[in-house]
Amino acid sequence: SQQGEEDPQALSIQEGENATMNCSYKTSINNLQWYRQNSGRGLVHLILIRSNEREKHSGRLRVTLDTSKKSSSLLITASRAADTASYFCATVYQSYNTDKLIFGTGTRLQVFP
Amino acid sequence: DAMVIQNPRYQVTQFGKPVTLSCSQTLNHNVMYWYQQKSSQAPKLLFHYYDKDFNNEADTPDNFQSRRPNTSFCFLDIRSPGLGDAAMYLCATSKGSGAHEQYFGPGTRLTVT
Repeated sequence: SQQGEEDPQALSIQEGENATMNCSYKTSINNLQWYRQNSGRGLVHLILIRSNEREKHSGRLRVTLDTSKKSSSLLITASRAADTASYFCATVYQSYNTDKLIFGTGTRLQVFP
Repeated sequence: DAMVIQNPRYQVTQFGKPVTLSCSQTLNHNVMYWYQQKSSQAPKLLFHYYDKDFNNEADTPDNFQSRRPNTSFCFLDIRSPGLGDAAMYLCATSKGSGAHEQYFGPGTRLTVT
């Protein structure tokens, strides 16, 4: 299976703390994306990092990518209760006419008020 | 503004009774995807359309079929649902090949009795 793995599987923190999630993948990539999924809902795209980028920021989100180690991390700073959700990394590989996503196993984040 | 719409949000069907899930989009995207997500697991790609060009994943069971009558609509047909097909079914769209994010609908939760 090409599926990536995420670590930790579950994370519980207090509001205001930072949350770090790690993702490892198996194949060469063009880019890697992070998605959030609230309980029982669809996924929402958070950030995309290309294979030639090492770090990217978006608001309270910071993503790093280490292609030599085939790993990525997502940092959420100053967490809020509303950040409670599952977070998935997704590696992108190209089919002949489009891109396909392979999702990691996900990290369930619980932020307590 | 709703961009990817899935109906119904909840569907209950009987074992072996055909069921159709629907997805529509207002983004005019070329690509539409169907994913299956079982409880506490990552979304798994079933198939996708690039315009009218259908692409089936190798491990998608024959029990699952899809139709895309026009750019806006895409249907997932399950010919003879089994208990193991109970899951959340997610529809997504993207512009096409390249570094593009996918836009997900809210999902349809299928229960098989």
